[in-house]
Amino acid sequence: QSALTQPASVSGSPGQSITISCTGTSSDVGSYNLVSWYQQHPGKAPKLMIYEVSKRPSGVFNRFSGSKSGNTASLTISGLQAEDEADYYCCSYAGSSTPVVFGGGTKLTVL
Amino acid sequence: QLQLQESGPGLVKPSETLSLTCTVSGGSISSSSYYWGWIRQPPGKGLEWIGSIYYSGSTYYNPSLKSRVTISVDTSKNQFSLKLSSVTAADTAVYYCARHRSITMIVVVILDAFDIWGQGTMVTVSS
Repeated sequence: QSALTQPASVSGSPGQSITISCTGTSSDVGSYNLVSWYQQHPGKAPKLMIYEVSKRPSGVFNRFSGSKSGNTASLTISGLQAEDEADYYCCSYAGSSTPVVFGGGTKLTVL
Repeated sequence: QLQLQESGPGLVKPSETLSLTCTVSGGSISSSSYYWGWIRQPPGKGLEWIGSIYYSGSTYYNPSLKSRVTISVDTSKNQFSLKLSSVTAADTAVYYCARHRSITMIVVVILDAFDIWGQGTMVTVSS
């Protein structure tokens, strides 16, 4: 069982927007603005899409955005494209004893 | 451009020790503000953080694996390594190495995101 809870799957049509949630606790997501999101295509390594809740690394399209409210972080993808179909994982800092916790992952299907 | 590459045996026998090395190229492993981490992914499953190391040797481990894991660093070779002892079939996974952003606040180290990943290497535990 993963420390952070994500929906197993979400779907959307091209051009639409979708949001993936990532629910933790007051010990991880709720306490630190250190949530990151990763995109993983089949057979490939994960790619950092969002860090520190809402910051985008260089080269990541601004269609990807992140936010947080309380113990839940969210990844929003606007203007869905076929190439966005992938697995998405959230991750959070959770204190010095267990610094890193991942979500179980969400499979995004572009219809 | 910084790149990471995992290397090591693809097949390990049960009860033995899994050993992998990550070679960093295009940059120095001795950079401040970065730890270096190992993450694994069993077939068809999600990501699991194993542990991370600073170039000075300071380490953080996943408590669920801590008793079996050793991560070390060799700055002269720009490499860091993973050893996982007493492996079972449950340790079969793709193992990734990654650069791990960190924030130091006085004496407290806070681990941030994994911003650069290796391509991963599949390790199967089987007799």
